[in-house]
Amino acid sequence: DADVTQTPRNRITKTGKRIMLECSQTKGHDRMYWYRQDPGLGLRLIYYSFDVKDINKGEISDGYSVSRQAQAKFSLSLESAIPNQTALYFCATSDYRRDTDTQYFGPGTRLTVL
Amino acid sequence: SQQGEEDPQALSIQEGENATMNCSYKTSINNLQWYRQNSGRGLVHLILIRSNEREKHSGRLRVTLDTSKKSSSLLITASRAADTASYFCATDDGTASKLTFGTGTRLQVTL
Repeated sequence: DADVTQTPRNRITKTGKRIMLECSQTKGHDRMYWYRQDPGLGLRLIYYSFDVKDINKGEISDGYSVSRQAQAKFSLSLESAIPNQTALYFCATSDYRRDTDTQYFGPGTRLTVL
Repeated sequence: SQQGEEDPQALSIQEGENATMNCSYKTSINNLQWYRQNSGRGLVHLILIRSNEREKHSGRLRVTLDTSKKSSSLLITASRAADTASYFCATDDGTASKLTFGTGTRLQVTL
């Protein structure tokens, strides 16, 4: 079984709709991250969380919100989706105590906003 | 803004040849990591080199780091078709445990 899972894997939605992307991990890591990937731009950090009560904005947090429901779960919401949020979204985890910032990625969610 | 910039953006080689890709970054770092991404899939960590290290090896991978030039290179020796992927460098500046990724190099290894 995959250590970091994301649901859904693909989603097509319309402008203005609220969307939630979910991430779960069984690695026991304390740190979780949400990135988006656009062609030619690499990965950009949206939000990150060092534990359940510690959530931080990343480089491109506008238009997004997150919820860390438990150590193992970190959700990303688009309150009112817009077409330029069409992208590939990745969740990642890390355990500073063990791997010193090495991140482990989920398989990604491909989101299309029409 | 991107911290790392990879060069070249795309690289096409034949199986058995070596592939070299470079990463330049802008600010001081604690460590630099290389990741691999198969098309549309999640990234996979390959190797980490700390700021006080100059070279590191892992199997067919060799990474160098020159902090005076703020650059790193990843060498894949004796490449295989299965090495076809995008490769990203990521820097950690040590102030918070988050990485800044470069734009990636797309490697195509043909038979």
